[in-house]
Amino acid sequence: QQQVRQSPQSLTVWEGETAILNCSYEDSTFDYFPWYHQFPGESPALLIAIRPVSNKKEDGRFTIFFNKREKKFSLHIADSQPGDSATYFCAAESWQLIFGSGTQLTVMP
Amino acid sequence: EAAVTQSPRNKVAVTGGKVTLSCNQTNNHNNMYWYRQDTGHGLRLIHYSYGAGSTEKGDIPDGYKASRPSQENFSLILELATPSQTSVYFCASGDGQNTLYFGAGTRLSVL
Repeated sequence: QQQVRQSPQSLTVWEGETAILNCSYEDSTFDYFPWYHQFPGESPALLIAIRPVSNKKEDGRFTIFFNKREKKFSLHIADSQPGDSATYFCAAESWQLIFGSGTQLTVMP
Repeated sequence: EAAVTQSPRNKVAVTGGKVTLSCNQTNNHNNMYWYRQDTGHGLRLIHYSYGAGSTEKGDIPDGYKASRPSQENFSLILELATPSQTSVYFCASGDGQNTLYFGAGTRLSVL
């Protein structure tokens, strides 16, 4: 079964710090790597995504770093804000989207 | 306005009973999905559909059936509900460009 492994399960950072969330995968056929975020009581929503032709994708304070050789990708949230507190899911897709188990991020003011 | 609407939002069912979760989308997307969300497991795909009349098995289809009678509607059916099916269920539609749009979720408790 295709798998996407995500770590850590939970992460607490102080306001202004950079939060780093990590994911790895096994299947080389994956060709699309999104991150979804889910605020408490809400549904998941797409945050940012990358394709393997790039090793970096930025959108404001959010950056995906992608390492194709090691089959790893990470989400960096710069200048973390309390409003960033949410659960973040990485995912990978070839013919279907496979989600990681999620990282619960708490940003302390 | 919500483009993916799930009903009911909360449901309590008895073991062995039949449960139907409904999903309606106004995105005119061909693809629709049912996921369940459990702590430590993230979002796991149960069934999906490429269009009206089509249903496909996802990663964890056992104990679930799906029905796609129209472009807009996609149902998840638990014929004989079990306590292990207590979870939060999300329906999503897909635009064919990789992005999924999720409904608000249904919290199901099977007693």
